[in-house]
Amino acid sequence: NAGVMQNPRHLVRRRGQEARLRCSPMKGHSHVYWYRQLPEEGLKFMVYLQKENIIDESGMPKERFSAEFPKEGPSILRIQQVVRGDSAAYFCASSPQGAGTGELFFGEGSRLTVL
Amino acid sequence: QQPVQSPQAVILREGEDAVINCSSSKALYSVHWYRQKHGEAPVFLMILLKGGEQKGHDKISASFNEKKQQSSLYLTASQLSYSGTYFCGTEEGGTSYGKLTFGQGTILTVHP
Repeated sequence: NAGVMQNPRHLVRRRGQEARLRCSPMKGHSHVYWYRQLPEEGLKFMVYLQKENIIDESGMPKERFSAEFPKEGPSILRIQQVVRGDSAAYFCASSPQGAGTGELFFGEGSRLTVL
Repeated sequence: QQPVQSPQAVILREGEDAVINCSSSKALYSVHWYRQKHGEAPVFLMILLKGGEQKGHDKISASFNEKKQQSSLYLTASQLSYSGTYFCGTEEGGTSYGKLTFGQGTILTVHP
């Protein structure tokens, strides 16, 4: 039973390029969350999605960042025109239903480095 | 506003006990505890819901004082495998869909 799969695990981009991070939730999970972790800091909520719907994007920067979770395929976090401050680990988590009373299953993260 | 964890770091010898605290200024619906080893995914430990409760499994347990908006994680007879960074994640009253606000983490190091 595969866990939450994220790819790429490591991504290097130059300033101004685009970064696309993918997340396949656990089988049977229809709720996906993206969190960002800066070095030596805790995880910060970015966005919560269900299939084809963005439920809460209050943690997403207003510009350059977008997320989707299509009917078919993985969830994608897209960062356009990356800047050095975007360097971080981006974690995806999934749950079978809204995880207010249960655990979030985290992937191993995608580590973005912006040169 | 993120919850505040204390202490920031703990160093133990195998077999010793530790307590990690998590305090919020907001009314909470739930408190989640996760452990993260360097370069790995956070791993769920337990969740406590408002109503004030205590939970535990193996030698790790936790409590949630709803009135004080505080939770504590208790690790007894620590093992080397307990080393890692412990995060509490809180959900505020009224939301319960996994939008967690995490503390800054407590680094636990267990030596032989």
